[in-house]
This record gives sequence, structure tokens and C-alpha cells, in this order.
Amino acid sequence: QVQLQESGPGLVQPSETLSLTCTVSGVSITNYYWSWIRQPPGKDLEWIGCIHYSGSTDYNPSLKSRVTMSMDTSKDQFSLKLSSVTAADTAVYYCARNQVLRYDVFNVWGQGTMVTVSS
Amino acid sequence: EIVLTQSPGTLSLSPGERATLSCRASQSVTSNHLAWYQQKPGQAPRPLIFGASIRAIGIPDRISGSGSGTDFTLTISRLEPEDFAVFYCQQYGSAPITFGQGTRLEIK
Repeated sequence: QVQLQESGPGLVQPSETLSLTCTVSGVSITNYYWSWIRQPPGKDLEWIGCIHYSGSTDYNPSLKSRVTMSMDTSKDQFSLKLSSVTAADTAVYYCARNQVLRYDVFNVWGQGTMVTVSS
Repeated sequence: EIVLTQSPGTLSLSPGERATLSCRASQSVTSNHLAWYQQKPGQAPRPLIFGASIRAIGIPDRISGSGSGTDFTLTISRLEPEDFAVFYCQQYGSAPITFGQGTRLEIK
């Protein structure tokens, strides 16, 4: 059974860098593309970007200047860094597995982690 | 980017009734790469449909998707109590991946 679990600080100071990690179990991380998606409270879902074990990444142009994704295959983990955060970055952050392709349906999701940007 | 517009914003129906949800794209969705998700409070979205009409694993056949190009529909033929939630469409045919703003299906 494939499971994803997000982890990281629930509170980040404005202008700082948000850092989250997704731990994958039940499947090799090298076999798929993996994505981050966020959802501000009461608002819509927004795709942040995806990463492949080859090192290939693809980011949403709306966030591209502030996003970095990386992967640690030895730990079956992939990570998100979002720099220069503001209150607008307050959201539930989900990690997810792409079904097959770089751009694809997300067929497995983590439970999500709430990140609040506030001083 | 492709903008997805869902309608109605809220749909009030009773168990046993038929629900029809719409998702309209600002431009044609490549290869009908359109998915539907159900989201309940405090939970992650659950995939229902991909490729516009293919049910995800474990999704009952009373839930179906249809459409092509710019107009897509999710139909739930006979509503069960567990169906009431928020539904999102997502296009993955063009970068960046985008989602609709959601349709809330509530019990009348």
C-alpha cells in the first residue's frame, strides 16, 4: 500500500523559506513523478510543481522564481522549498504521486500539512 | 494557462437524485487529459475520473465522466449520503496543471 506523509514546520516567518518533506512508503520513489499541491484555507487547489528521480523538475510559472524541489532516493523522500514567503503562502500543502507522466492525474495523496505564514 | 470554470458553484440535491457537474476549459484540453476529484472536509482530494471518462480504482459505476475538447461533465446517477462533498476538475494536458474552483454538492 502506497503512503505519503508530509512533514515540516507548521509556522513560518514572513520573508523566510518554507521547507517541507514528503516520505514515501510502499513503492520505490524512482518509479514515478512526484508533485506538490497546495490549498489556501477555503480556496482552490494550486499545482506547485513536480520532480523525477532523474533530477528533472517542472514548476508552476506563478511560483517558479521561489520554488526548489529535490529528492533523496536513499530515504525515499522528496522535498519542497519556497522562499520569501508571505501570508498568501498560508495553505495546506499536499504531496502526491503522478499516475505515470510528468503532467498527470494525482492518484495517491498525502494527508496534507497546514503551514501558516505569520510573525 | 488553461482556466477551468466549474458550474454550478453549489448544487443542492437529495439522496437518490442525479447530480450533473460541469467543467469548462478556456481552451481545448489536450488528449482529453481531464480528471475529477472528490474532497471531504479535512481530507485530501480523492481521484474519481481520469482521461475524462475512465474511473479510478474502486470508484462505483454510478459515477461517470464524459466530454471532450472544452466541455466536460461528471455525473452521479443515484446520490448516496457519502457522495456529498466538494468536487474539482483538473486538466493535465498542458503545463501548468490547473484545477477548477470546485462545485459543492450539499444535501437538500
